[in-house]
Amino acid sequence: GAGVSQSPSNKVTEKGKDVELRCDPISGHTALYWYRQSLGQGLEFLIYFQGNSAPDKSGLPSDRFSAERTGGSVSTLTIQRTQQEDSAVYLCASSFMSPEQFFGPGTRLTVL
Amino acid sequence: SQKIEQNSEALNIQEGKTATLTCNYTNYSPAYLQWYRQDPGRGPVFLLLIRENEKEKRKERLKVTFDTTLKQSLFHITASQPADSATYLCALRAGGSGNTGKLIFGQGTTLQVKP
Repeated sequence: GAGVSQSPSNKVTEKGKDVELRCDPISGHTALYWYRQSLGQGLEFLIYFQGNSAPDKSGLPSDRFSAERTGGSVSTLTIQRTQQEDSAVYLCASSFMSPEQFFGPGTRLTVL
Repeated sequence: SQKIEQNSEALNIQEGKTATLTCNYTNYSPAYLQWYRQDPGRGPVFLLLIRENEKEKRKERLKVTFDTTLKQSLFHITASQPADSATYLCALRAGGSGNTGKLIFGQGTTLQVKP
């Protein structure tokens, strides 16, 4: 079956512009996670959605970052007024009734 | 604060040998610990999960141990192959109240298996 997909695979933007990153989780997965991975670093948790519960936004680094999940499926991570330090790979994962998380291929964001 | 440490230096071993990777954690009592594999340009892939009441878990050539007293997990790959070359990430479920499923990841250890 289809895995987690993310788009775009690469995004180059200029400092100060807004970007939207998309995640399509595995069908039926109720939990969805966003992580950020900077070069040579581990994954940094950003936000977690579980069903209809309020999302856990404790990892969002600033109020420039926001995410939504529509219809319990697709999620969009938005970064406003991008900064160079936002450059990283943004990874999405989903899961269902299990600690195991299934990751997408990531979106590589480069802010010039 | 919760902290996970993996050896940041790359591990280079000869094909056929056993690779052993270490994951240490502090300020934390996780219910379970996971290991993931990550290849360049790809997302992590789940390998094994071990719970706090389990000492050891095996899957084919992989073995994970979990010592909650030492706050350490060891990840072993026996009869290593060049195809095992990748970065291996240790992850713990975040603590605190609520039913959060978020994971805290170590920075990963890169394994290089030479033929």
